[in-house]
Amino acid sequence: GQSLEQPSEVTAVEGAIVQINCTYQTSGFYGLSWYQQHDGGAPTFLSYNALDGLEETGRFSSFLSRSDSYGYLLLQELQMKDSASYFCAVNSGAGSYQLTFGKGTKLSVIP
Amino acid sequence: KAGVTQTPRYLIKTRGQQVTLSCSPISGHRSVSWYQQTPGQGLQFLFEYFSETQRNKGNFPGRFSGRQFSNSRSEMNVSTLELGDSALYLCASSLGTSGGSDTQYFGPGTRLTVL
Repeated sequence: GQSLEQPSEVTAVEGAIVQINCTYQTSGFYGLSWYQQHDGGAPTFLSYNALDGLEETGRFSSFLSRSDSYGYLLLQELQMKDSASYFCAVNSGAGSYQLTFGKGTKLSVIP
Repeated sequence: KAGVTQTPRYLIKTRGQQVTLSCSPISGHRSVSWYQQTPGQGLQFLFEYFSETQRNKGNFPGRFSGRQFSNSRSEMNVSTLELGDSALYLCASSLGTSGGSDTQYFGPGTRLTVL
């Protein structure tokens, strides 16, 4: 089967840094994506890693190690608006677009 | 550029009925994927269409079906509704031509409630 594991909940203080880890077991792998979803909203794309290493986009960074089947999302300078659920997702469909999602990490940013 | 749109946003149906949901992708995107989101199971892949052809299908019963039109708009249909089909149904569009690495952009979803 295919599975992605990520923590269910994380709490962090405004202005701090938080790291959300994701480990995966999938039959195929084309890349690891991260999505943010606010309550009642749609998932919005944050970042994508196809190769090992760190990708940085503003306050968000994402890391991938394919040999360890592991990645993480790093959020810096946390703001209250960052309170949301964060999902890692693996594209494992050869030549197509099938995302397998983790269960999501609910991030609560406190003052 | 307009985002992904889904209609209707909310639906209430009773068991045994059928329902059709619609998704209009971002202009120029040819791939449309459908996902079901529930509190218990999370986000689960239903199927993906590209150029009017189903390219991939998730592990859902045959009651769930879809199609895509020549303008890339897509519909999904659920027949003989069950209580467990209550969920947020999301569609996502992408260019669909990069072997799986394109970003998928999600619509706001259709909230289906089955009574």
